[in-house]
Amino acid sequence: QKEVEQDPGPLSVPEGAIVSLNCTYSNSAFQYFMWYRQYSRKGPELLMYTYSSGNKEDGRFTAQVDKSSKYISLFIRDSQPSDSATYLCAMGRRSYIPTFGRGTSLIVHP
Amino acid sequence: EAGVAQSPRYKIIEKRQSVAFWCNPISGHATLYWYQQILGQGPKLLIQFQNNGVVDDSQLPKDRFSAERLKGVDSTLKIQPAKLEDSAVYLCASSSPRDSSHLGAFFGQGTRLTVV
Repeated sequence: QKEVEQDPGPLSVPEGAIVSLNCTYSNSAFQYFMWYRQYSRKGPELLMYTYSSGNKEDGRFTAQVDKSSKYISLFIRDSQPSDSATYLCAMGRRSYIPTFGRGTSLIVHP
Repeated sequence: EAGVAQSPRYKIIEKRQSVAFWCNPISGHATLYWYQQILGQGPKLLIQFQNNGVVDDSQLPKDRFSAERLKGVDSTLKIQPAKLEDSAVYLCASSSPRDSSHLGAFFGQGTRLTVV
């Protein structure tokens, strides 16, 4: 079993839809939880990070962590074609050496 | 603020040849990372530097990969000899523990290596 599991997709949604992206993990020592966005042929860009269970909101993005279930989510409201990218979850322990999921490809069509 | 700079952007080599990648982190960032991202997978950490010292290189294939960070700023990653399975994007990232507003790392655009 991999430490971080993430469905690769692709996930195709119409513009304006609410998108839900998810990861599960097996290592209960993980304390930091992050979501990165990666456009084609670009490096990953940090979108959100959280340190504990609960929700964190930033504009159209909401990150949710459920440590009891070892499950994290990223919600995107009012999705736009410009949100089309690969979304990578990442998580780490005390020091910042994150383990990445394989990424979910999101396509938002007009 | 200038981002993480990497070069070259693309490289095609034959198997058994050697290749080197260069990274210039964001000014003032003490921590530097090299990741390998194979197509369809997430980035895998190869090595982490804190200033010019190695923090973690447990996933670096040391029989063929080497990395250095002279003077705690720029870094180079070398592969010698390359194998077909080394075809991937090599990403450099940097972070600053003192930047409490940004726990994550900043990534460069990567070097896409194709071994034929």
